[in-house]
This record gives sequence, C-alpha cells and structure tokens, in this order.
Amino acid sequence: AQTVTQSQPEMSVQEAETVTLSCTYDTSENNYYLFWYKQPPSRQMILVIRQEAYKQQNATENRFSVNFQKAAKSFSLKISDSQLGDTAMYFCASRPVGRGSTLGRLYFGRGTQLTVWP
Amino acid sequence: NAGVTQTPKFQVLKTGQSMTLQCAQDMNHEYMSWYRQDPGMGLRLIHYSVGAGITDQGEVPNGYNVSRSTTEDFPLRLLSAAPSQTSVYFCASSTTTAGLGEQYFGPGTRLTVT
Repeated sequence: AQTVTQSQPEMSVQEAETVTLSCTYDTSENNYYLFWYKQPPSRQMILVIRQEAYKQQNATENRFSVNFQKAAKSFSLKISDSQLGDTAMYFCASRPVGRGSTLGRLYFGRGTQLTVWP
Repeated sequence: NAGVTQTPKFQVLKTGQSMTLQCAQDMNHEYMSWYRQDPGMGLRLIHYSVGAGITDQGEVPNGYNVSRSTTEDFPLRLLSAAPSQTSVYFCASSTTTAGLGEQYFGPGTRLTVT
C-alpha cells in the first residue's frame, strides 16, 4: 500500500509570485508514478504534472515544476508566476506500476487549498 | 472523444433508497474505478475493474456494488442509501499498459442522502 501526506491544508500567494506545495509519500513499491491534480471550483479533476519514479530529472510543465526527492520520498509542486486561475484544491497522488491488487489505483493526499489573490 | 462521462451530476436520495450512478468511457480503457471525495479526506477508492467481467474492492467498498459487463461502462450501485454516503463520486479510467499511467476523471456526481 501507499500513503500520501499533504501537510498544508491551505496556502495563499499573491498573483505573479511563486508558491510551493508540499507532498510526502510512503511506498514499498519499486516503481511508481507521482501526480499533482488540480480541482477548481467546477470540481473537475485536472492533471497538472506527473513524474516517473525511475527518472531523476524533475518534470516541468510550463509554470509548474516538481522537486522530486526519491530518497526523502518527497514530491513538491512549484507554481511560478501564479495566476488567479490557479486558485484550486491541489491533490498529490501516487500510483504503483505493475501487476497485482494495487494495479492502477491512485493513492491521494488530503489536498491543499491554494488561493491566489490580486 | 467524450472521455469519461457520468450521470447524473446531482442527486438527492432519501435514506434507504437505491440508485445507480452511471459511468462510461469511449477510450477503450481497460481500467476503471470509482472514488468518493469527502471534505478533508481526499479521494478514496471504492471499487475498481481491470477489464470486463473483473471487479474488486477498494478502500471503502461497504454499501456499494459494481459490475463490468462491457469495456465502456462501469456503474456504481447504492443498495440502501445512508447519510454517510453523502459525497461527491468520481469515476476514472486509464490504460493498464506501461506508460505514464494517467487517469482520466469524469465530472463527478454530487450525492446527498437525507
């Protein structure tokens, strides 16, 4: 099984500034994927960024980047040049790779509510 | 592609009533799953399926049934609704082959049980 912990229930940042959301996880799997999902008030789950655990290079998607520290089991999300539209709940999630009963399932953290203010 | 669709978007039930939440995907994904989202709890897995005819329990399966007769559809049944089942329900699908493992989510169903 895997557990995902997000220790910041709420965060706020001023528009155009940079903010980092924290996530730690625990797993016994050798290979897995890590994700950040965004959930705006529309409640649609939107994939923001993903990281394969066996890749050391940190993933980047435009203004979003991650700091993946495998030994520390840490997977933080950095949002640069924050925009009002980034206001949302952000979920960190992990997914084991391979066969077996855990195949395919996502393990979610409890979420961090990010508010971007003008 | 419509992606993952869910119906209804909103539903109010009385305690003891039964209903089925519908989920369909048109991406030929083998893997489908149901999550529930409660405030402060993140998303928790209810049931999942790795292909037609194969289902299994997730983290919080009690009070829910599923079946998978086709690749496209994965309905979730509430047999006798309880107030504790008030939640937002998400259906998701993905391929089970190697890759980046992205799951595609439906828009969710907000269920209230009174």
